[in-house]
Amino acid sequence: AQSVAQPEDQVNVAEGNPLTVKCTYSVSGNPYLFWYVQYPNRGLQFLLKYITGDNLVKGSYGFEAEFNKSQTSFHLKKPSALVSDSALYFCAYRGSARQLTFGSGTQLTVLP
Amino acid sequence: EAEVAQSPRYKITEKSQAVAFWCDPISGHATLYWYRQILGQGPELLVQFQDESVVDDSQLPKDRFSAERLKGVDSTLKIQPAELGDSAMYLCASSFGDRGGTEAFFGQGTRLTVV
Repeated sequence: AQSVAQPEDQVNVAEGNPLTVKCTYSVSGNPYLFWYVQYPNRGLQFLLKYITGDNLVKGSYGFEAEFNKSQTSFHLKKPSALVSDSALYFCAYRGSARQLTFGSGTQLTVLP
Repeated sequence: EAEVAQSPRYKITEKSQAVAFWCDPISGHATLYWYRQILGQGPELLVQFQDESVVDDSQLPKDRFSAERLKGVDSTLKIQPAELGDSAMYLCASSFGDRGGTEAFFGQGTRLTVV
């Protein structure tokens, strides 16, 4: 079955330090992968996506993600975390069934 | 900047009552999605439309939930009767299409509380 997994429910990082939010995928064919962020009581905001080509994808608010085919991963990264980055992050994929399916989410807390 | 509009933002209803949510997608977006999100969890797809046609409603509890997009633009999701377990955030999203790397854009959601 196709899926994405977010192995960490919670990630804590100090402000100014680099952050990584992990996502692994099990998707047949060409994987179309996405990252979204959600602030409390709000909808999801699109950050970036991987279609094909460069394995390092740059997105909104200084975020980037690295696609790694051999490790079937698509980790979200940022060189220097801000307190305002604290939010719930979701990895998602669009498979052959044309649905957009989300992972379980990772709560990122950036400590001042 | 174009946005997906949803109303109401918050809804409190008693169990066994009917409730309805409305969504207006970004202009020109043919694909419309309704998701349900339990607090702290990932969104789960309830129904997906391509224009006015249902593409996927396999996870929609059809005994109590219904969704329509009559003219292929705005959409309504209805629950009748509401149950306590329906308390959740209901999210509407839209995208230009449903192929490949097409991203979806979300509305602010409707927070439903069933008492």
